[in-house]
Amino acid sequence: EAQVTQNPRYLITVTGKKLTVTCSQNMNHEYMSWYRQDPGLGLRQIYYSMNVEVTDKGDVPEGYKVSRKEKRNFPLILESPSPNQTSLYFCASTPTGLIYEQYFGPGTRLTVT
Amino acid sequence: AQSVAQPEDQVNVAEGNPLTVKCTYSVSGNPYLFWYVQYPNRGLQFLLKYITGDNLVKGSYGFEAEFNKSQTSFHLKKPSALVSDSALYFCAVRDMDNYQLIWGAGTKLIIKP
Repeated sequence: EAQVTQNPRYLITVTGKKLTVTCSQNMNHEYMSWYRQDPGLGLRQIYYSMNVEVTDKGDVPEGYKVSRKEKRNFPLILESPSPNQTSLYFCASTPTGLIYEQYFGPGTRLTVT
Repeated sequence: AQSVAQPEDQVNVAEGNPLTVKCTYSVSGNPYLFWYVQYPNRGLQFLLKYITGDNLVKGSYGFEAEFNKSQTSFHLKKPSALVSDSALYFCAVRDMDNYQLIWGAGTKLIIKP
């Protein structure tokens, strides 16, 4: 089944404790992206990657890191999480091309205390 | 600046009645437009898109959308609403300069029995 998977789905952590949210897609898509969703703010892009070893900042990159060493994986790293990073996070992927829709993972609900 | 607006935070419709969720956009050039739906505790799912051609686009779950270039709108419609259509709906437009999607803030659709 074609899909985007994220792990973990739920995570409660404390301020300053490094964490990684994994994202993997099995559709051979070149493009991958991370979003956060907050009430009243819709979706905001954190980072995106047009292909392996190519990453770019989105609208809200502060406090986050990403890497794209393999085509299928695009982990999101929070080196020192803070409470304002409590949010719902989505990973998405799409083939290269302006006409294609994005495929979303199920989401990761992160709480930083 | 390129943007997408969903002017209604919430839309309430009685089951069986037609529904409309509004979206307007501002982009340079010809727009590529998308609608997504997010059911509670789920990731976003693609509904439909307009790239070119017929202004009336049909998508999943009986939804359709009408592209209106003169009014720069792409409203989502369904002839007869179901309670199961209750969800959060997002409109998005492709930014042709940097490939990214520009997202509306989302509209919560509530269908009452």
